[in-house]
Amino acid sequence: KQEVTQIPAALSVPEGENLVLNCSFTDSAIYNLQWFRQDPGKGLTSLLLIQSSQREQTSGRLNASLDKSSGRSTLYIAASQPGDSATYLCAVGGLNFNKFYFGSGTKLNVKP
Amino acid sequence: KAGVTQTPRYLIKTRGQQVTLSCSPISGHRSVSWYQQTPGQGLQFLFEYFSETQRNKGNFPGRFSGRQFSNSRSEMNVSTLELGDSALYLCASRGMDGQGNTGELFFGEGSRLTVL
Repeated sequence: KQEVTQIPAALSVPEGENLVLNCSFTDSAIYNLQWFRQDPGKGLTSLLLIQSSQREQTSGRLNASLDKSSGRSTLYIAASQPGDSATYLCAVGGLNFNKFYFGSGTKLNVKP
Repeated sequence: KAGVTQTPRYLIKTRGQQVTLSCSPISGHRSVSWYQQTPGQGLQFLFEYFSETQRNKGNFPGRFSGRQFSNSRSEMNVSTLELGDSALYLCASRGMDGQGNTGELFFGEGSRLTVL
């Protein structure tokens, strides 16, 4: 069964810092990987989707990479801002891509 | 293009009652999945529907059920509510690959259920 782990569980950084969030998965036979952001009490907002054939995706200050062979993905946030404070979750889509496996998230706090 | 719409946003029920939650997916999306989110367990998959058929089911008791209509709107029902059913219930829709979509998951804002 696919297991998804996100480390660290929480992270606090000063504004302006570049940071990396990690996501690891146990089964490299994946269909895609998606990063989400969740604000307290809200739904999940899609940030980036990486197909299994891709190595990275970029959107603004965000860059996500995927290394299937090592079972790892990273989300890089450049020049962090207080508005980036939220919980970030990664989800791995299985080859039976009807199922998605979620990590428990990294709670990010960016201090002004 | 409208996003995923979930109703109601908040509701309070008492133990033993039942509840029905509704989800309207993004227009053109035929896959709808449901998740339960609690502080202790995180996001847990409930079930997924595609073209009115349940394709996958998570490890939840039979009190949790769902259905999908011909217009892709979906409902989930929880019967005989327990205190532990208090959670944020999230619905996600997805356009299927091979139909000009990427397979990306889009979530609604959720329905916050409190069981007293």
